[in-house]
Amino acid sequence: DVKVTQSSRYLVKRTGEKVFLECVQDMDHENMFWYRQDPGLGLRLIYFSYDVKMKEKGDIPEGYSVSREKKERFSLILESASTNQTSMYLCASSPDQNSGSKTYEQYFGPGTRLTVT
Amino acid sequence: SQQGEEDPQALSIQEGENATMNCSYKTSINNLQWYRQNSGRGLVHLILIRSNEREKHSGRLRVTLDTSKKSSSLLITASRAADTASYFCATDYTGYSTLTFGKGTMLLVSP
Repeated sequence: DVKVTQSSRYLVKRTGEKVFLECVQDMDHENMFWYRQDPGLGLRLIYFSYDVKMKEKGDIPEGYSVSREKKERFSLILESASTNQTSMYLCASSPDQNSGSKTYEQYFGPGTRLTVT
Repeated sequence: SQQGEEDPQALSIQEGENATMNCSYKTSINNLQWYRQNSGRGLVHLILIRSNEREKHSGRLRVTLDTSKKSSSLLITASRAADTASYFCATDYTGYSTLTFGKGTMLLVSP
């Protein structure tokens, strides 16, 4: 089974702190994604990466950065956490559509519920 | 962003009944996917339908796609209490492996 793990289920941080959210997948997937999920807004894409050291902005990248030093690991960084970044953060991975895989589904981690006070 | 919209926002039914959720989207797509999310958890992929397909089945799930109307429906037959969850449609319209998710339908199945 594909497994996507996230470093924490719950996290509480103070305003202004630097926050690292880690995501690891074990299926050798090329693509990795970070979303945030808020009530009434659904899932919104923050950043994604289609290869090591590659990153692309999603719909709401402001206030976030990412790092992908190894294929299996994709980190989301909040440089200076603010209260409006309180949210559920979901990581996902998928095979590349050009890799020969016939499935384009995304596999999600369990999520990290971040509270910034 | 080009987001799918699910309808209804919430649905409450009894066990054994069928549940139908709809999704509308705005632009041409490569494929459309449905996901389930149990409370406070990550999403789980249910089914994918490609733009050249009209209907697809998987167990108790039936998905239809009408590209002329830019809409899809998810039917869950003979619902169970364990089907209680939020259901999201997601569209792939870029061809670059990114998905755009709707806001979801919350389904409550009562015993």
